[in-house]
Amino acid sequence: AQSVTQPDIHITVSEGASLELRCNYSYGATPYLFWYVQSPGQGLQLLLKYFSGDTLVQGIKGFEAEFKRSQSSFNLRKPSVHWSDAAEYFCAVRWTGNQFYFGTGTSLTVIP
Amino acid sequence: EPEVTQTPSHQVTQMGQEVILRCVPISNHLYFYWYRQILGQKVEFLVSFYNNEISEKSEIFDDQFSVERPDGSNFTLKIRSTKLEDSAMYFCASSDLAVGETQYFGPGTRLLVL
Repeated sequence: AQSVTQPDIHITVSEGASLELRCNYSYGATPYLFWYVQSPGQGLQLLLKYFSGDTLVQGIKGFEAEFKRSQSSFNLRKPSVHWSDAAEYFCAVRWTGNQFYFGTGTSLTVIP
Repeated sequence: EPEVTQTPSHQVTQMGQEVILRCVPISNHLYFYWYRQILGQKVEFLVSFYNNEISEKSEIFDDQFSVERPDGSNFTLKIRSTKLEDSAMYFCASSDLAVGETQYFGPGTRLLVL
């Protein structure tokens, strides 16, 4: 069955430090991959997506993600975190059909 | 930039009452979706809608739920007789193509069933 795993429930980083949020997915076929961010009281904002081609994709707000087929992973990275990046981050995957499968989310805290 | 809007932002209702959650998708989009997020849990797919009919639905979307596009702009989710466990954040989303396309999400409606 399809599933999306975000192993880290909560991550704390210092402002200016680098960040990596992990996402793994099950199921054999190569899916469409997305990262969304949710700030408190806000909806889900798309950060970036991967459909095909270059496995390193760039998104908004300085984020990037790398698709690794061999590891069934799509990890989100940012070289230098800003205090405004504090939010909940969701990995989402779409295989066939219309529905997105979401991970449980990773809550990011940024300390000064 | 076009965005998905949802009303109301918060709704409190008594168990057994009917609620209608409203969404205005992005205007040139053709596919519409509802998701929910129970507090502390993952976002879960409810239903997708295209060409005035349901194209896909999850096990959560039982007979208590219905969706409708009553006019050219609104997309609604109705819960016929709310239960306590329906308390959640409900997100509407839309996309302009089906396969692999990005879904754009609204800010959500927080539903509390007492």
